[in-house]
Amino acid sequence: QKEVEQDPGPLSVPEGAIVSLNCTYSNSAFQYFMWYRQYSRKGPELLMYTYSSGNKEDGRFTAQVDKSSKYISLFIRDSQPSDSATYLCAMSEGATDSWGKLQFGAGTQVVVTP
Amino acid sequence: EAQVTQNPRYLITVTGKKLTVTCSQNMNHEYMSWYRQDPGLGLRQIYYSMNVEVTDKGDVPEGYKVSRKEKRNFPLILESPSPNQTSLYFCASSYLSSAGSTGELFFGEGSRLTVL
Repeated sequence: QKEVEQDPGPLSVPEGAIVSLNCTYSNSAFQYFMWYRQYSRKGPELLMYTYSSGNKEDGRFTAQVDKSSKYISLFIRDSQPSDSATYLCAMSEGATDSWGKLQFGAGTQVVVTP
Repeated sequence: EAQVTQNPRYLITVTGKKLTVTCSQNMNHEYMSWYRQDPGLGLRQIYYSMNVEVTDKGDVPEGYKVSRKEKRNFPLILESPSPNQTSLYFCASSYLSSAGSTGELFFGEGSRLTVL
C-alpha cells in the first residue's frame, strides 16, 4: 500500500465551479503538507504549503489538513480554464533534512471547461 | 532568472547504451534530487544529495548513478539503460535552511527518456 493515495482523475468541471481534490495518507508522522501544480510538459511548482492541521487560504485556493483522519484537501473556487493541470499532494515528516523524503501522491488531472 | 535546467529534454536510446542526463541549478541550493514520473505512480525519488559529495538513495535507485562534484550540478547516469527505465525524469533543488523553510522544491522542465 502506498503511503500517499490520490485519485488520478481526470476530474472535469465547468468554468466557475469549485474543484475539490484530496489525498489520504497512512504515516501519522507527516507534519508538512503541500500541493504542487503541474502544467502539461512542465515541472511541478509549489502551490500551497501547510504545517500540521488546519486551513490555509490563498486567493481562490484553500488547503485543509485533518491529521486525525489522515486526510488533506485542496479547494479551488471560481475555477478557470487556466487551472487545468495535474495537482500533486506531497507530505513530509519534518523540516530541513527531511525535505529529502517528500512523499508524493500520484496526482489528479483537472480539466476546467469554458 | 532562477531555474533548474535539464538536458536533454527528449532522448530515444537503445538498451545498454550509457547515457547521462545533466541537471544544473543557479540558486545556490544545497539539496538536489532526481525523480521519475510514471502514469499512476506519481513522482518517485531516485537519488538525492544534501550537499557536495553527499548523495543517498531514494525509493527507486536501481539502475541509476549520480554524482555531486559541484554544488550547482547533479547529473543522472544510466550505465546500461533498459526499457523499464523509459520514463519522464525531473531534477529538483531546494534550500536546506533552518526552521521556517517551506522546503519548496524547484523542478526542472523534465527529460523524457525512451529506451528501445
